[in-house]
Amino acid sequence: QVQLVQSGPEVKKPGASVRVSCKASGYTLTNYGISWVRQAPGQGLEWLGWINAHNGDINYAQKLQGRITMTTDTSTTTAYMELRSLRSDDTAVYYCAKVSEWLAYNWFDPWGQGTLVTVSS
Amino acid sequence: DIQMTQSPSSLSASVGDRVTITCRASQSISSYLNWYQQRPGKAPKLLIYAASSLQSGVPSRFSGSGSGTDFTLTISSLQPEDFATYYCQQSYSTPWYTFGQGTKLEIK
Repeated sequence: QVQLVQSGPEVKKPGASVRVSCKASGYTLTNYGISWVRQAPGQGLEWLGWINAHNGDINYAQKLQGRITMTTDTSTTTAYMELRSLRSDDTAVYYCAKVSEWLAYNWFDPWGQGTLVTVSS
Repeated sequence: DIQMTQSPSSLSASVGDRVTITCRASQSISSYLNWYQQRPGKAPKLLIYAASSLQSGVPSRFSGSGSGTDFTLTISSLQPEDFATYYCQQSYSTPWYTFGQGTKLEIK
């Protein structure tokens, strides 16, 4: 079945970088996009960006421009999200999700299990 | 940016109740609206896409309606496992997606 499995929890100091991985299985990575979403403790969902694994097109949320990089490795069917210059308000659970499409409609399904990133001195 | 506003922010209901959650977009988004359910400690799960299409495997007590700026998610008869937080998401401005702030559905 279609599945996204993410890397384990991370604890980082302010100013450091973190890279979260998202391994896709059960479908062809290059046929669909991958989006990243985060959720701060007790808060709602925040879209971070989207990568087209086929042609490498990328779009990032404006507030993270310059600090975030999304990539894919088609040989290992894995997507990555790197966030740099970490701050305490980057503490959140980070999710990857497959972007499914029908006609011009698209949605996120399935989601990875989430990766907790804690930024603390 | 398209803003999505859900109401109410929280809701108390009983098993067997009919519940409706509303999502309003800051501009017309046609039918480019999805609904997700998130249980505590779990990843969000897709319920409805394209405003009214039920995702495979989702119980038929869930339904979605609306177009333009106003949308609703209805649960016809609440079950214990439905107590969760629900989010709407617009995909009109793909890939610049935005979510509503969430509606927490609690047991009365």
